[in-house]
Amino acid sequence: DTAVSQTPKYLVTQMGNDKSIKCEQNLGHDTMYWYKQDSKKFLKIMFSYNNKELIINETVPNRFSPKSPDKAHLNLHINSLELGDSAVYFCASSQEVRARRGETQYFGPGTRLLVL
Amino acid sequence: GDSVTQMEGPVTLSEEAFLTINCTYTATGYPSLFWYVQYPGEGLQLLLKATKADDKGSNKGFEATYRKETTSFHLEKGSVQVSDSAVYFCALSDRNKLSFGAGTTVTVRA
Repeated sequence: DTAVSQTPKYLVTQMGNDKSIKCEQNLGHDTMYWYKQDSKKFLKIMFSYNNKELIINETVPNRFSPKSPDKAHLNLHINSLELGDSAVYFCASSQEVRARRGETQYFGPGTRLLVL
Repeated sequence: GDSVTQMEGPVTLSEEAFLTINCTYTATGYPSLFWYVQYPGEGLQLLLKATKADDKGSNKGFEATYRKETTSFHLEKGSVQVSDSAVYFCALSDRNKLSFGAGTTVTVRA
């Protein structure tokens, strides 16, 4: 009954490869996010989708492409992986209610990506 | 743009000590404020939040008050336990976009 799940938990790959990380939420939320946490624990938003529509797209290389097949899933595909992509990637979800502020975001357990 | 500045760590305390982690923010609108906690090897969990000025969030003995006049949201706990060892993140949200502080690593010794 995990609320936000991610697969895989660990991902070790070579530079230049293409990889995907999957995220699913069973909370019935409308909005999903991808965050990147670097080696110093700093967290930064990458993307946000609301009902399968991209609403936040921070300054992220276009090698990163999010895909949302339905509102319960938001996958992250990364092309031509580079050493600097090594990080922990977190998926999150929230219920977006435009008349209400401060909706809690629920985070997945993270995917630890190591590019060699 | 919106930003959050929080006390740098690491912070090391003895059990039953008082913990305070300072957090200040810069925002153009009226953000909601959060504290998230990350235990070793896990994702982030909401610890507490406040959505408007003078609101106090509290959970598990932790408290923080939204102070608009000082643009602050300091986290406090009166008596910490070893199980409180974690990384604590202050964050603000404007239209559901979370901006995080750099995180403060707290270690509580028995």
